[in-house]
Amino acid sequence: GAGVSQSPSNKVTEKGKDVELRCDPISGHTALYWYRQRLGQGLEFLIYFQGNSAPDKSGLPSDRFSAERTGESVSTLTIQRTQQEDSAVYLCASSFPGRGYEAFFGQGTRLTVV
Amino acid sequence: RKEVEQDPGPFNVPEGATVAFNCTYSNSASQSFFWYRQDCRKEPKLLMSVYSSGNEDGRFTAQLNRASQYISLLIRDSKLSDSATYLCVVTLLNDYKLSFGAGTTVTVRA
Repeated sequence: GAGVSQSPSNKVTEKGKDVELRCDPISGHTALYWYRQRLGQGLEFLIYFQGNSAPDKSGLPSDRFSAERTGESVSTLTIQRTQQEDSAVYLCASSFPGRGYEAFFGQGTRLTVV
Repeated sequence: RKEVEQDPGPFNVPEGATVAFNCTYSNSASQSFFWYRQDCRKEPKLLMSVYSSGNEDGRFTAQLNRASQYISLLIRDSKLSDSATYLCVVTLLNDYKLSFGAGTTVTVRA
């Protein structure tokens, strides 16, 4: 596709359930990022992938959060046993080094845990 | 100390005014710098890269001061449509990680 695509765009889940958020980066972009943004707050770094590897997982808030990327393409962010504090917009971005690391964002997944 | 710090504002300016704000970064090895714009409830979008010599894009001017470790953004002849949160982004050499500031809110009033 022409841009970064995220699905679903909105997700309402019950506390304690697991959720999977998907990101389709721009074709050819080797770097992929996940960020979280709570209402009225800044972007909170979660994890980034260089190819299929995740050299920096330091932002994952707890062991309930995990992410994977396959084929240097699609990435999935999984949140297990969701809590109300997980409610936020989850943003994915991708970049291609040849463009000086300019990153392009998807429209995000708005997660609401009730 | 945070990697990237910004004055949160808000900067409230009338149409046609000039507004400028800075972003400081803590790691002297930082290599690439960007300004992103984020509208309310939207995803961030790249506004401009910041080059060592400074650069201009229409009404927007970005500067880099390596000695003092800050970048700046200046908006001339502000338009109502410039109202947004401006995010400073910094990366290290050969490191893909993007470090975002918390953003500076600008509100342009008629």
